[in-house]
Amino acid sequence: SQTIHQWPATLVQPVGSPLSLECTVEGTSNPNLYWYRQAAGRGLQLLFYSVGIGQISSEVPQNLSASRPQDRQFILSSKKLLLSDSGFYLCAWTRGAAEAFFGQGTRLTVV
Amino acid sequence: KQEVTQIPAALSVPEGENLVLNCSFTDSAIYNLQWFRQDPGKGLTSLLLIQSSQREQTSGRLNASLDKSSGRSTLYIAASQPGDSATYLCAASMDSNYQLIWGAGTKLIIKP
Repeated sequence: SQTIHQWPATLVQPVGSPLSLECTVEGTSNPNLYWYRQAAGRGLQLLFYSVGIGQISSEVPQNLSASRPQDRQFILSSKKLLLSDSGFYLCAWTRGAAEAFFGQGTRLTVV
Repeated sequence: KQEVTQIPAALSVPEGENLVLNCSFTDSAIYNLQWFRQDPGKGLTSLLLIQSSQREQTSGRLNASLDKSSGRSTLYIAASQPGDSATYLCAASMDSNYQLIWGAGTKLIIKP
């Protein structure tokens, strides 16, 4: 069966520090991978999606970047965090436009 | 541009009631529509996926319907339980790409 791992679960980082969140998928190949951010009490905002290794599409211009170094690995990064980067970050995968599966999320607090 | 709306934003009902959550979308050219559940501070759990060619899907006490012509989907929860308390989100997958367009969710509280 397929599983998705996302870590860390919580993270407190100072303003200006770097960020690296990792997401890996098991049990499938060539998944579409997604990073979402969910602000408190609001809907999901798509940040990045990837349909293959090295292929990254950005939906929102911002302080973040994403990379896909391996087929089932998706990394969200920042060189210098801003207070506004605080939020709940979710990784997800799909096969084409089929059912989406989510990781458990990372609660990022920038202080 | 596709827009997905969920009404109401919050709903509180006594345990045991049957209830309906609504999801509407502006562009009927969807590939599929999914319903998710999110518990506080947790990721999303997929509940039901309805392909554009389908009218409904059922899983246990949950039934989701899809009416593309009217741009509506409903999630029916039978015999609600306190454990059903969560935020329910719907998302439409469009034909042209692999992105999901999300509603803002309905926060459901089932009172014991």
